[in-house]
Amino acid sequence: GENVEQHPSTLSVQEGDSAVIKCTYSDSASNYFPWYKQELGKGPQLIIDIRSNVGEKKDQRIAVTLNKTAKHFSLHITETQPEDSAVYFCAANFNKFYFGSGTKLNVKP
Amino acid sequence: DTEVTQTPKHLVMGMTNKKSLKCEQHMGHRAMYWYKQKAKKPPELMFVYSYEKLSINESVPSRFSPECPNSSLLNLHLHALQPEDSALYLCASSQEGTQPQHFGDGTRLSIL
Repeated sequence: GENVEQHPSTLSVQEGDSAVIKCTYSDSASNYFPWYKQELGKGPQLIIDIRSNVGEKKDQRIAVTLNKTAKHFSLHITETQPEDSAVYFCAANFNKFYFGSGTKLNVKP
Repeated sequence: DTEVTQTPKHLVMGMTNKKSLKCEQHMGHRAMYWYKQKAKKPPELMFVYSYEKLSINESVPSRFSPECPNSSLLNLHLHALQPEDSALYLCASSQEGTQPQHFGDGTRLSIL
Protein backbone atom coordinates (compact mmCIF):
# COMPACT_ATOMS: atom_id res chain seq x y z
CA GLY A 1 0.00 0.00 0.00
CA GLU A 2 0.87 3.68 0.02
CA ASN A 3 3.35 5.10 2.55
CA VAL A 4 3.37 8.79 3.40
CA GLU A 5 6.23 10.33 5.37
CA GLN A 6 5.88 13.81 6.88
CA HIS A 7 8.56 16.14 8.25
CA PRO A 8 9.20 17.81 10.59
CA SER A 9 7.21 16.37 13.47
CA THR A 10 7.34 19.71 15.30
CA LEU A 11 7.95 23.20 13.97
CA SER A 12 8.27 26.39 15.95
CA VAL A 13 8.31 29.76 14.17
CA GLN A 14 8.02 33.41 15.11
CA GLU A 15 4.84 35.22 14.17
CA GLY A 16 5.19 36.65 10.67
CA ASP A 17 7.73 34.05 9.53
CA SER A 18 7.03 31.35 6.96
CA ALA A 19 6.51 27.66 7.72
CA VAL A 20 7.11 24.74 5.39
CA ILE A 21 5.98 21.14 5.96
CA LYS A 22 7.09 18.38 3.60
CA CYS A 23 5.62 15.01 2.69
CA THR A 24 6.78 12.18 0.47
CA TYR A 25 4.69 9.34 -0.88
CA SER A 26 5.59 5.98 -2.32
CA ASP A 27 2.85 5.03 -4.81
CA SER A 28 3.03 6.92 -8.09
CA ALA A 29 -0.64 6.06 -8.70
CA SER A 30 -1.71 8.49 -5.93
CA ASN A 31 -3.49 11.37 -7.59
CA TYR A 32 -4.95 13.59 -4.86
CA PHE A 33 -3.10 15.28 -1.99
CA PRO A 34 -5.05 17.14 0.71
CA TRP A 35 -3.73 18.99 3.74
CA TYR A 36 -5.63 19.08 7.00
CA LYS A 37 -5.34 21.33 10.05
CA GLN A 38 -6.43 19.89 13.38
CA GLU A 39 -6.90 22.15 16.38
CA LEU A 40 -7.19 20.83 19.91
CA GLY A 41 -10.58 19.20 20.51
CA LYS A 42 -11.60 19.45 16.86
CA GLY A 43 -11.68 17.21 13.84
CA PRO A 44 -9.28 17.68 10.91
CA GLN A 45 -10.22 20.60 8.70
CA LEU A 46 -9.35 20.59 5.00
CA ILE A 47 -7.25 23.70 4.28
CA ILE A 48 -5.94 23.10 0.77
CA ASP A 49 -5.55 20.26 -1.70
CA ILE A 50 -3.88 19.54 -5.01
CA ARG A 51 -4.37 17.00 -7.77
CA SER A 52 -1.63 15.27 -9.68
CA ASN A 53 -2.19 17.28 -12.86
CA VAL A 54 -1.28 20.54 -11.08
CA GLY A 55 2.13 21.64 -9.79
CA GLU A 56 1.13 24.42 -7.42
CA LYS A 57 -1.97 25.85 -5.80
CA LYS A 58 -2.35 28.93 -3.64
CA ASP A 59 -5.07 30.22 -1.34
CA GLN A 60 -4.19 33.51 0.38
CA ARG A 61 -1.36 32.73 2.83
CA ILE A 62 -1.34 29.00 2.13
CA ALA A 63 0.21 27.23 -0.86
CA VAL A 64 0.88 23.64 -1.79
CA THR A 65 3.46 22.41 -4.30
CA LEU A 66 3.65 18.97 -5.88
CA ASN A 67 6.64 17.32 -7.53
CA LYS A 68 5.33 14.13 -9.13
CA THR A 69 8.73 13.00 -10.33
CA ALA A 70 10.24 13.16 -6.87
CA LYS A 71 6.94 12.08 -5.26
CA HIS A 72 6.86 14.84 -2.72
CA PHE A 73 4.54 17.69 -1.88
CA SER A 74 4.85 20.58 0.54
CA LEU A 75 2.66 23.01 2.47
CA HIS A 76 3.81 26.61 2.66
CA ILE A 77 2.30 29.07 5.13
CA THR A 78 3.44 32.68 4.85
CA GLU A 79 3.05 35.49 7.40
CA THR A 80 2.20 33.01 10.13
CA GLN A 81 -0.17 34.03 12.91
CA PRO A 82 -0.73 32.53 16.38
CA GLU A 83 -4.04 31.07 15.17
CA ASP A 84 -2.07 28.94 12.68
CA SER A 85 -0.81 26.92 15.66
CA ALA A 86 -2.23 23.40 15.26
CA VAL A 87 -1.32 19.91 14.04
CA TYR A 88 -1.12 19.62 10.25
CA PHE A 89 -1.58 16.34 8.38
CA CYS A 90 -0.79 15.63 4.76
CA ALA A 91 -2.46 12.77 2.94
CA ALA A 92 -2.21 10.93 -0.36
CA ASN A 93 -5.18 9.27 -1.97
CA PHE A 94 -4.93 5.93 -3.71
CA ASN A 95 -8.21 4.02 -3.24
CA LYS A 96 -8.26 5.50 0.26
CA PHE A 97 -6.52 8.26 2.23
CA TYR A 98 -3.07 7.55 3.63
CA PHE A 99 -2.13 10.16 6.24
CA GLY A 100 1.28 11.43 7.21
CA SER A 101 2.27 11.30 10.88
CA GLY A 102 1.50 14.98 11.50
CA THR A 103 3.41 18.19 12.23
CA LYS A 104 2.75 20.24 15.34
CA LEU A 105 3.18 23.89 14.37
CA ASN A 106 3.71 26.44 17.11
CA VAL A 107 3.61 30.11 16.13
CA LYS A 108 5.11 32.29 18.84
CA PRO A 109 3.69 35.80 19.19
CA ASP B 1 -18.96 24.91 12.48
CA THR B 2 -18.43 21.61 10.69
CA GLU B 3 -20.97 20.27 8.22
CA VAL B 4 -20.58 16.77 9.58
CA THR B 5 -22.28 16.44 12.96
CA GLN B 6 -21.27 13.76 15.45
CA THR B 7 -23.03 12.81 18.67
CA PRO B 8 -22.30 12.45 21.46
CA LYS B 9 -19.18 14.61 21.85
CA HIS B 10 -18.00 12.57 24.83
CA LEU B 11 -18.85 9.03 25.93
CA VAL B 12 -17.69 7.02 28.90
CA MET B 13 -18.68 3.37 28.98
CA GLY B 14 -17.85 0.16 30.73
CA MET B 15 -16.51 -2.88 28.94
CA THR B 16 -19.87 -4.65 29.09
CA ASN B 17 -21.98 -1.74 27.83
CA LYS B 18 -23.56 -1.31 24.41
CA LYS B 19 -23.60 2.16 22.94
CA SER B 20 -23.79 3.82 19.53
CA LEU B 21 -22.03 6.75 17.91
CA LYS B 22 -23.96 8.80 15.38
CA CYS B 23 -22.90 10.88 12.40
CA GLU B 24 -25.00 13.03 10.10
CA GLN B 25 -24.23 15.04 6.98
CA HIS B 26 -26.52 17.05 4.70
CA MET B 27 -24.09 17.86 1.90
CA GLY B 28 -25.45 15.16 -0.39
CA HIS B 29 -22.23 13.18 -0.08
CA ARG B 30 -22.40 9.52 -1.10
CA ALA B 31 -19.33 8.23 0.73
CA MET B 32 -19.03 8.15 4.53
CA TYR B 33 -16.17 7.03 6.73
CA TRP B 34 -15.31 6.06 10.29
CA TYR B 35 -11.81 6.77 11.58
CA LYS B 36 -10.15 6.11 14.94
CA GLN B 37 -7.56 8.61 16.20
CA LYS B 38 -5.26 8.05 19.17
CA ALA B 39 -3.48 10.96 20.82
CA LYS B 40 -0.70 12.50 18.71
CA LYS B 41 -1.39 10.10 15.83
CA PRO B 42 -3.08 10.52 12.44
CA PRO B 43 -6.58 9.20 11.84
CA GLU B 44 -6.78 5.47 11.05
CA LEU B 45 -9.44 4.32 8.64
CA MET B 46 -11.94 1.80 10.02
CA PHE B 47 -14.86 1.61 7.57
CA VAL B 48 -16.00 3.13 4.30
CA TYR B 49 -19.58 3.26 3.04
CA SER B 50 -20.22 4.10 -0.58
CA TYR B 51 -23.81 4.63 -1.72
CA GLU B 52 -24.97 3.15 1.61
CA LYS B 53 -23.05 -0.09 1.12
CA LEU B 54 -20.00 -1.13 3.12
CA SER B 55 -17.07 -1.00 0.71
CA ILE B 56 -14.04 -1.13 3.01
CA ASN B 57 -13.57 -2.80 6.41
CA GLU B 58 -9.99 -2.36 7.60
CA SER B 59 -10.01 -5.63 9.56
CA VAL B 60 -11.77 -3.95 12.46
CA PRO B 61 -12.74 -6.21 15.41
CA SER B 62 -16.37 -7.29 15.43
CA ARG B 63 -17.02 -5.38 18.65
CA PHE B 64 -17.34 -2.38 16.29
CA SER B 65 -20.37 -2.66 14.01
CA PRO B 66 -21.11 0.05 11.44
CA GLU B 67 -24.49 0.84 9.99
CA CYS B 68 -25.62 3.24 7.27
CA PRO B 69 -29.43 3.65 7.55
CA ASN B 70 -29.55 6.19 4.70
CA SER B 71 -27.28 8.44 2.67
CA SER B 72 -27.14 11.10 5.40
CA LEU B 73 -26.61 8.96 8.48
CA LEU B 74 -23.84 6.72 9.72
CA ASN B 75 -23.79 4.83 13.00
CA LEU B 76 -21.11 2.92 14.83
CA HIS B 77 -22.42 0.36 17.31
CA LEU B 78 -20.10 -0.52 20.17
CA HIS B 79 -20.20 -3.66 22.31
CA ALA B 80 -17.75 -5.24 24.76
CA LEU B 81 -15.02 -2.72 24.07
CA GLN B 82 -11.55 -2.89 25.58
CA PRO B 83 -9.62 -0.10 27.34
CA GLU B 84 -7.35 0.21 24.28
CA ASP B 85 -10.39 1.24 22.26
CA SER B 86 -10.39 4.58 24.09
CA ALA B 87 -9.79 7.17 21.37
CA LEU B 88 -11.34 9.95 19.31
CA TYR B 89 -13.73 8.50 16.74
CA LEU B 90 -14.10 10.65 13.66
CA CYS B 91 -16.72 10.53 10.96
CA ALA B 92 -16.08 11.98 7.50
CA SER B 93 -17.97 12.29 4.24
CA SER B 94 -17.11 13.00 0.63
CA GLN B 95 -18.89 13.25 -2.70
CA GLU B 96 -17.11 10.08 -3.73
CA GLY B 97 -13.88 8.24 -2.94
CA THR B 98 -11.48 10.58 -4.70
CA GLN B 99 -13.07 13.81 -3.51
CA PRO B 100 -12.16 15.87 -0.42
CA GLN B 101 -13.24 14.35 2.85
CA HIS B 102 -14.96 16.57 5.40
CA PHE B 103 -14.58 15.57 9.03
CA GLY B 104 -16.78 16.02 12.05
CA ASP B 105 -15.31 17.00 15.42
CA GLY B 106 -15.48 13.44 16.68
CA THR B 107 -16.67 11.54 19.72
CA ARG B 108 -14.16 11.25 22.56
CA LEU B 109 -14.65 7.68 23.85
CA SER B 110 -13.32 6.42 27.15
CA ILE B 111 -13.59 2.77 28.17
CA LEU B 112 -13.44 2.07 31.89
